[in-house]
Amino acid sequence: QVQLQESGPGLVKPSETLSLTCTVSGGYISSHFWSWIRQPPGKGLEWIGYIYYSGSTNYNPSLMSRVTMSVDKVKNQFSLKLSSVTAADTALYYCARGGRGSAAAAGFDYWGQGTLVTVSS
Amino acid sequence: DIQVTQSPSSLSASVGDRVIITCRASQSINRYLNWYQQKPGKAPKLLIYTASTLQTGVPSRFSGSESGTEFTLTITSLQPEDFATYYCQQSYSAPFNFGQGTKLEI
Repeated sequence: QVQLQESGPGLVKPSETLSLTCTVSGGYISSHFWSWIRQPPGKGLEWIGYIYYSGSTNYNPSLMSRVTMSVDKVKNQFSLKLSSVTAADTALYYCARGGRGSAAAAGFDYWGQGTLVTVSS
Repeated sequence: DIQVTQSPSSLSASVGDRVIITCRASQSINRYLNWYQQKPGKAPKLLIYTASTLQTGVPSRFSGSESGTEFTLTITSLQPEDFATYYCQQSYSAPFNFGQGTKLEI
């Protein structure tokens, strides 16, 4: 059974960089596309971007200038960095699994439980 | 970017009812439309992908259909556990935008 687990600081100061890691267990990271999605409290879902095990990425244009994703095949993890954060970046951040041959054609079938990141001084 | 407009934003129904939720894409997405269910405090759960394919383990009272750029999620014979928020998502091209969500309430 594939499981995803997000980890990282729950509180980040304005203008600093948010850093999260998603650890994949029960499956290999070198087989699928992997995405980050966020959800501000009480609001809807926003796709942040995806990374493939090869390291290729695709980011949402709305966040592209501030987002960096990376993958660590040895640790079976992938990571998200979001720079210059503001209060608007306060959200529940999810990692999720996409497809083998395409990033999202068959949807995101496995999700982490989500981790709340609050941006505040 | 391809936008998906979901309606209604909220819906009241009773156990045993049939409900329909609609998503309209801003352009052709060739059936690449997915549906998720989200319960409070939980991650979204994939229900249907590519417009009408039921994810493994999802009850058959859930179904999806498409007509051009309009997609529908139908839930027949609502069960108590179906009261949740539902989201559509286009997966034709990045950014893979979600609809605004439909809160299904008793």
